[in-house]
Amino acid sequence: NAGVTQTPKFRVLKTGQSMTLLCAQDMNHEYMYWYRQDPGMGLRLIHYSVGEGTTAKGEVPDGYNVSRLKKQNFLLGLESAAPSQTSVYFCASSYSNGDVYEQYFGPGTRLTVT
Amino acid sequence: AQTVTQSQPEMSVQEAETVTLSCTYDTSESDYYLFWYKQPPSRQMILVIRQEAYKQQNATENRFSVNFQKAAKSFSLKISDSQLGDAAMYFCAYRRWGNEKLTFGTGTRLTIIP
Repeated sequence: NAGVTQTPKFRVLKTGQSMTLLCAQDMNHEYMYWYRQDPGMGLRLIHYSVGEGTTAKGEVPDGYNVSRLKKQNFLLGLESAAPSQTSVYFCASSYSNGDVYEQYFGPGTRLTVT
Repeated sequence: AQTVTQSQPEMSVQEAETVTLSCTYDTSESDYYLFWYKQPPSRQMILVIRQEAYKQQNATENRFSVNFQKAAKSFSLKISDSQLGDAAMYFCAYRRWGNEKLTFGTGTRLTIIP
């Protein structure tokens, strides 16, 4: 099993450009999450999904959109990138069996917006 | 809203010695989970240890153990016989039972001195 994978690993964007980050998991997990990590601020939840076709806002959703068209994939989109979106982005997934279990994280994507 | 506080931005310890990382949290819930995650320079988030709030016994995983004080809302991580590979950022995290979202602290950077 590859676990949770993220594409790409690094990206540099100019202000105003758009891009999509792809997260894929092969563990048949119901739940998927997108976080951003900034220095001194830990990980903050951007959006999450509790199942195929459903998404919900997290703590810092502004400027991002997501889609979960397939159970194994969770896409994070930036329509018009801003320097404030320079960050490391992590995807995670987890399963549920009555309660929600541990989150498994991908390796992260470092995004720089100039 | 739940908050997680890690008051030590940086810690250092001599190799083979013991170090304790602090974490406090704020919640009105009685059923929840607490976690310690390790993030080495590779950026990969690795679950170190988990504690269920309803369990009085402190969790242990090899050289890693916790001191869980529910009344004081304190959850510290003790690393015994520190090794060079323990050098990393350590994040404390909270999750309410039945809720899929994790709340992270801001992290503690641990340096191991050879």
